[in-house]
Amino acid sequence: NAGVTQTPKFRVLKTGQSMTLLCAQDMNHEYMYWYRQDPGMGLRLIHYSVGEGTTAKGEVPDGYNVSRLKKQNFLLGLESAAPSQTSVYFCASNEGEVTQYFGPGTRLTVL
Amino acid sequence: GQSLEQPSEVTAVEGAIVQINCTYQTSGFYGLSWYQQHDGGAPTFLSYNALDGLEETGRFSSFLSRSDSYGYLLLQELQMKDSASYFCAVRPSSGTYKYIFGTGTRLKVLA
Repeated sequence: NAGVTQTPKFRVLKTGQSMTLLCAQDMNHEYMYWYRQDPGMGLRLIHYSVGEGTTAKGEVPDGYNVSRLKKQNFLLGLESAAPSQTSVYFCASNEGEVTQYFGPGTRLTVL
Repeated sequence: GQSLEQPSEVTAVEGAIVQINCTYQTSGFYGLSWYQQHDGGAPTFLSYNALDGLEETGRFSSFLSRSDSYGYLLLQELQMKDSASYFCAVRPSSGTYKYIFGTGTRLKVLA
């Protein structure tokens, strides 16, 4: 049981490049989330999904797109990366109200 | 709006007891959760209060008072490994599946 996994763990991009972050969970959870965390800050919700084929905007969605084609996978895309998107990205999943399970994070630097 | 406020930093010595407060402004929510995050790591679930009162899990306890819009995490018999950031979080009962995280408290445990 791997829980929540994220690919890649680290990435460096140049301004204007695109990339996709992959989140996978093996707990059969309905709900999945993408957060970003900047140094010394809390977690800010980018997008989330309440089930396969659904997505919704969070607190800071601009510059990001997401897709949930399979229940176990949630993809986060950056079409044209900007330095302001330098951050640590966490994926999370849950079933119910109590707890969210987080992946190990992706550390992204945009030069 | 909806927000959860926490002190930015708390310092205590090994073996002591420390309380991390979380005050919130949200109209309604399902329960108050607490997460621990070590530097470079992912948030991990610690405790949950669905109802008012105290919940105890080993050295950690969490308290919620909805009438006072206030909760706290109590850490007893502090150990060096407890040095981490701690976040409170709620899921508003407004019909969405979004979670709101607090600003985070960095705990430093001194020898």
